[in-house]
Amino acid sequence: GQQLNQSPQSMFIQEGEDVSMNCTSSSIFNTWLWYKQDPGEGPVLLIALYKAGELTSNGRLTAQFGITRKDSFLNISASIPSDVGIYFCAGQLRGTYKYIFGTGTRLKVLA
Amino acid sequence: NAGVTQTPKFQVLKTGQSMTLQCAQDMNHNSMYWYRQDPGMGLRLIYYSASEGTTDKGEVPNGYNVSRLNKREFSLRLESAAPSQTSVYFCASSGRLAGVSGELFFGEGSRLTVL
Repeated sequence: GQQLNQSPQSMFIQEGEDVSMNCTSSSIFNTWLWYKQDPGEGPVLLIALYKAGELTSNGRLTAQFGITRKDSFLNISASIPSDVGIYFCAGQLRGTYKYIFGTGTRLKVLA
Repeated sequence: NAGVTQTPKFQVLKTGQSMTLQCAQDMNHNSMYWYRQDPGMGLRLIYYSASEGTTDKGEVPNGYNVSRLNKREFSLRLESAAPSQTSVYFCASSGRLAGVSGELFFGEGSRLTVL
């Protein structure tokens, strides 16, 4: 089946540092979504991308839809303690209604 | 601002028991989804409904059935629960027509334990 490879799996960073994570696949996607999930809660949408090459920002977050339509990355600038959590990418497979998810990046910010 | 509402939030079952997870959305979305999330893992698609009257299998459909009751409601049924179905279940909805890009919005999850 289709898979989304998300990396890194986890990372510890110092407050104020920039963070980068990405998702890759052998499948083609129409949409890329990036979510943050806090313990005991549902995923919360951070950024949505709809076109190949699209670069979108939401505050300190920036995400890009890869030109090949098979990958996406998320950057967080000047991290703060509340950025702690698990970040997921999700892609809507081309020609389907299916959204599949990456395995997540667990972010820990050291004050 | 209810969004996507799931019930129950917590449930403990014995092996072989049946139960239904309920999901309702008030955003007039066409598409609805059921995912499961196991510890340390991402979300895996169980079933989805692109529009009212249609349902399709996702990545891990075995042991589950679904019903799209109307445009608002999408239920997930476990006919004979097994310990391997212990998980957190998330319902989601999407506002665009199936096949057209859209955003997924999630409920708060239903934590199911099967003993």
